[in-house]
Amino acid sequence: GIQVEQSPPDLILQEGANSTLRCNFSDSVNNLQWFHQNPWGQLINLFYIPSGTKQNGRLSATTVATERYSLLYISSSQTTDSGVYFCAAHVQQNTPLVFGKGTRLSVIA
Amino acid sequence: EPEVTQTPSHQVTQMGQEVILRCVPISNHLYFYWYRQILGQKVEFLVSFYNNEISEKSEIFDDQFSVERPDGSNFTLKIRSTKLEDSAMYFCASHSPLGGYYGYTFGSGTRLTVV
Repeated sequence: GIQVEQSPPDLILQEGANSTLRCNFSDSVNNLQWFHQNPWGQLINLFYIPSGTKQNGRLSATTVATERYSLLYISSSQTTDSGVYFCAAHVQQNTPLVFGKGTRLSVIA
Repeated sequence: EPEVTQTPSHQVTQMGQEVILRCVPISNHLYFYWYRQILGQKVEFLVSFYNNEISEKSEIFDDQFSVERPDGSNFTLKIRSTKLEDSAMYFCASHSPLGGYYGYTFGSGTRLTVV
């Protein structure tokens, strides 16, 4: 099955700094999503982005499907951005979404 | 925005007891899923459900697990005889290819603690 790898595993930022999280996947994907897991454990959907670029406020994401990677950009980070960011992908709509191990982000005031 | 609803948010049970985790997927979605996340680890697929039957299941989904869609709205995960290692966050998710595909929507999860 598809393999999803995320880097870095851990990231510590000063408030106001920018960051880039990376997701590599082993096969062509039909779906790629970025999630933020908050301190209460909830999975918050950030982007559905099988290809191209999307922006939502201080967050943006780019997926280059032909090169099998996706990037999540966080600008002007805030302490509320802390948590674990997961990338998940699958090759067909009706196959299970496979998650990476996540990037744990800590934003320090 | 439509949501996937899970209840309860937290359940504590004694080892060996049966638990039922409940989910209400988005009403026009056709595919339903259960995922599990042991504390500090990745989110793992358990089972997918379509057209009132299991379409795929992982190695984790053994005979102690079962799923059911008892009516038109609820989707349940039953663990027959809980073990300590079943302690985890359980997520329900749904999606539909009809009218365009926009990815999975996940519920807020049920934190199961087996003591």
